[in-house]
Amino acid sequence: GAGVSQTPSNKVTEKGKYVELRCDPISGHTALYWYRQSLGQGPEFLIYFQGTGAADDSGLPNDRFFAVRPEGSVSTLKIQRTERGDSAVYLCASSAIVGGTNEKLFFGSGTQLSVL
Amino acid sequence: KQEVTQIPAALSVPEGENLVLNCSFTDSAIYNLQWFRQDPGKGLTSLLLIQSSQREQTSGRLNASLDKSSGRSTLYIAASQPGDSATYLCAVMGSQGNLIFGKGTKLSVKP
Repeated sequence: GAGVSQTPSNKVTEKGKYVELRCDPISGHTALYWYRQSLGQGPEFLIYFQGTGAADDSGLPNDRFFAVRPEGSVSTLKIQRTERGDSAVYLCASSAIVGGTNEKLFFGSGTQLSVL
Repeated sequence: KQEVTQIPAALSVPEGENLVLNCSFTDSAIYNLQWFRQDPGKGLTSLLLIQSSQREQTSGRLNASLDKSSGRSTLYIAASQPGDSATYLCAVMGSQGNLIFGKGTKLSVKP
């Protein structure tokens, strides 16, 4: 596709449930990022992939959060035993890497997660 | 741990004014610095990217500067327009490729 696609755009779940959020990056972009953003705050870094591997997962808040990118394209962010504090907009971004340098990031529109 | 601070948190100006948004970061060992725009309820749009070896970048009415040694960047917007109203976010990329954001400056340009 032309841009970064995130599905679903909205997800409402109950406390304790498991959720999966999907990100389709721009074709050919090897770098993929996950962020979450609460109202009035800047995006909070979660995890960064180069290809299939997580180059930096230091932003994942705890072991309930996990992300995969098995074929180096689509990525899934998985949240187990959701808590009300997980409610936020989850943003995905991708970028090309040219000559070893990360280029501009392109963001999706995000998934609004609401945990009741 | 890298920390990014943006001042002011909010800014309201009349149409036509030139304005400056400020960004500072604590760790000067960065690969690049990026400025983004975010409209309410929307994702982020990249405005300018400055590599660590560069001092500034320009796009239309926008000019961003970078002083890596002092940990500062400014985004200059010339002849502001109501359509410039949005939140402007500064972000720095570290050695591992992660991008750390500030909290943003919410800009309102009044007609």
